[in-house]
Amino acid sequence: QKEVEQDPGPLSVPEGAIVSLNCTYSNSAFQYFMWYRQYSRKGPELLMYTYSSGNKEDGRFTAQVDKSSKYISLFIRDSQPSDSATYLCAMSVGGTSYGKLTFGQGTILTVHP
Amino acid sequence: DAGVTQSPTHLIKTRGQQVTLRCSPKSGHDTVSWYQQALGQGPQFIFQYYEEEERQRGNFPDRFSGHQFPNYSSELNVNALLLGDSALYLCASSKTGAGYEQYFGPGTRLTVT
Repeated sequence: QKEVEQDPGPLSVPEGAIVSLNCTYSNSAFQYFMWYRQYSRKGPELLMYTYSSGNKEDGRFTAQVDKSSKYISLFIRDSQPSDSATYLCAMSVGGTSYGKLTFGQGTILTVHP
Repeated sequence: DAGVTQSPTHLIKTRGQQVTLRCSPKSGHDTVSWYQQALGQGPQFIFQYYEEEERQRGNFPDRFSGHQFPNYSSELNVNALLLGDSALYLCASSKTGAGYEQYFGPGTRLTVT
């Protein structure tokens, strides 16, 4: 079993839709939770990070962490064609090991006009 | 402000050869991490360098080695290349104490034939 599971999709939605992306994990030591966006043939771009449980909002993006269920989500409101990319969740433990990020497989998202 | 840069962009090598990839971190960052991303997969942590020393290592064989220079730039070396080493190699930089906030370069695409 992988430490981080992410549905690879692909996910196709119309422009303006609300998108929900999710990851589950098995390592209860994870304390930091990140979402990256990766365009084709590019490096991942950090969208948001969250410490422990709770919600965090940044513009059209909202990240949620539920540590009791070992489940994290990223919501994208008013999705745009420019949001079409692969979305990667990543996690790390605290302390001296927080530099090692463990990634999910990535979800391919297409927003069509 | 220049972000993370990597060279070369693409590389083709033959099985058994050795390769060196290079990375310059984002200005103000002192920690460099390396990841391997196979096609259709999330990045996998190789190792992290801080103060010119390897601080953490993922599940990669000793054929993978690295170095960090006094100016914080870094190299990844892979010896005795295998076909399975074909992947996108990503470098990420961060500040000490903020390993959860890693910024990635565009990557080096390595093809082993």
